Amino acid sequence: DAKTTQPNSMESNEEEPVHLPCNHSTISGTDYIHWYRQLPSQGPEYVIHGLTSNVNNRMASLAIAEDRKSSTLILHRATLRDAAVYYCIPKTSYDKVIFGPGTSLSVIP
Amino acid sequence: DTAVSQTPKYLVTQMGNDKSIKCEQNLGHDTMYWYKQDSKKFLKIMFSYNNKELIINETVPNRFSPKSPDKAHLNLHINSLELGDSAVYFCASSQEGLQPQHFGDGTRLSIL
Repeated sequence: DAKTTQPNSMESNEEEPVHLPCNHSTISGTDYIHWYRQLPSQGPEYVIHGLTSNVNNRMASLAIAEDRKSSTLILHRATLRDAAVYYCIPKTSYDKVIFGPGTSLSVIP
Repeated sequence: DTAVSQTPKYLVTQMGNDKSIKCEQNLGHDTMYWYKQDSKKFLKIMFSYNNKELIINETVPNRFSPKSPDKAHLNLHINSLELGDSAVYFCASSQEGLQPQHFGDGTRLSIL
């Protein structure tokens, strides 16, 4: 299983962009990079995933480094509702999802 | 419509009791999971079922027994509850492969 390193916590001002980094230097060639988040008192929620190319969806963008050893989750305009723990998870098709400590994001009004 | 629903939401019980947590998904997924989130907030997979067959069984005491009566349901039965079982238990489902997992809102189990 690929190991990941994420900051323990980050802060952002409301309506500002947020860049959440993740290092996954031991990622294998077949691992996709998944991001989930967990809002307070809720279950984890899927955010986005990608393999090599940058990906966009309605929630966020995912920028993947060319060597795939790191990635960045981008929230274009942070809202108070985005305050959550964000998890970066490399996994192949049939791997189990392994959650690390994640990054706790605080959004300041 | 709730996609993954768990009952009960809260469960407070005495040490030594036996209890069950139910999970249902209406997404048509073929794989379901149970996770445990302890007081330190680490989320760990316990079990995974695909089409009613057990495919992941992490190092979990055999007091924990999952039961999948059909593809849409995965229940968790816990015998002889211990203080260390206090945690939030999450059920999830997905289609096989890379598809994202959908989680329920959790069952908060407290052992007195």
